[in-house]
Amino acid sequence: KQEVTQIPAALSVPEGENLVLNCSFTDSAIYNLQWFRQDPGKGLTSLLLIQSSQREQTSGRLNASLDKSSGRSTLYIAASQPGDSATYLCAVSFVSGGYNKLIFGAGTRLAVHP
Amino acid sequence: NAGVTQTPKFRILKIGQSMTLQCTQDMNHNYMYWYRQDPGMGLKLIYYSVGAGITDKGEVPNGYNVSRSTTEDFPLRLELAAPSQTSVYFCASSYSTAGGEDTQYFGPGTRLTVL
Repeated sequence: KQEVTQIPAALSVPEGENLVLNCSFTDSAIYNLQWFRQDPGKGLTSLLLIQSSQREQTSGRLNASLDKSSGRSTLYIAASQPGDSATYLCAVSFVSGGYNKLIFGAGTRLAVHP
Repeated sequence: NAGVTQTPKFRILKIGQSMTLQCTQDMNHNYMYWYRQDPGMGLKLIYYSVGAGITDKGEVPNGYNVSRSTTEDFPLRLELAAPSQTSVYFCASSYSTAGGEDTQYFGPGTRLTVL
């Protein structure tokens, strides 16, 4: 059974720090891995999607890596800002019963203070 | 485009009451999904649909029903509300899932409390 774990559960950092969020998954037979951002009272927004054949993806100050063989992904946020405060969710995708099933981790709650 | 919209945003139900959570998308997506998110947990799939007239169960379907009469709408029905159904409900849609290349777009959620 696929399980996704995110460490740490919560993180508080001063503005300007570089930080790393971790995600691990138990079954390496995935199609892709996504990182989502969730703001209070709002839905999820996809930040980065890494295909199973890729090693990393970058968008602005965000960089996500994927090591499928070891079942790990990291989200690196450079020069953090208060606007980065949110919950970050990791989800792995694989085909099950004719659709692309997403299994989510519980998330890392990030607070960036000025 | 409005994307994925959900109504209501908040609702309090008494045990045994019923209600329908509405979800509409204007992106002409084939696939639609309902998830629930309990405090401190990841999202779990309740039901999904691969097109109008076709629905199937996800991981946690008990206590819920869905229908998909149009491409745009995917309502979620709670027949006999129970405290265990207190959660935040998210609707999502995607164009296709072929090859795992397509991302899901999420609505803002409905926060439901059953007392």
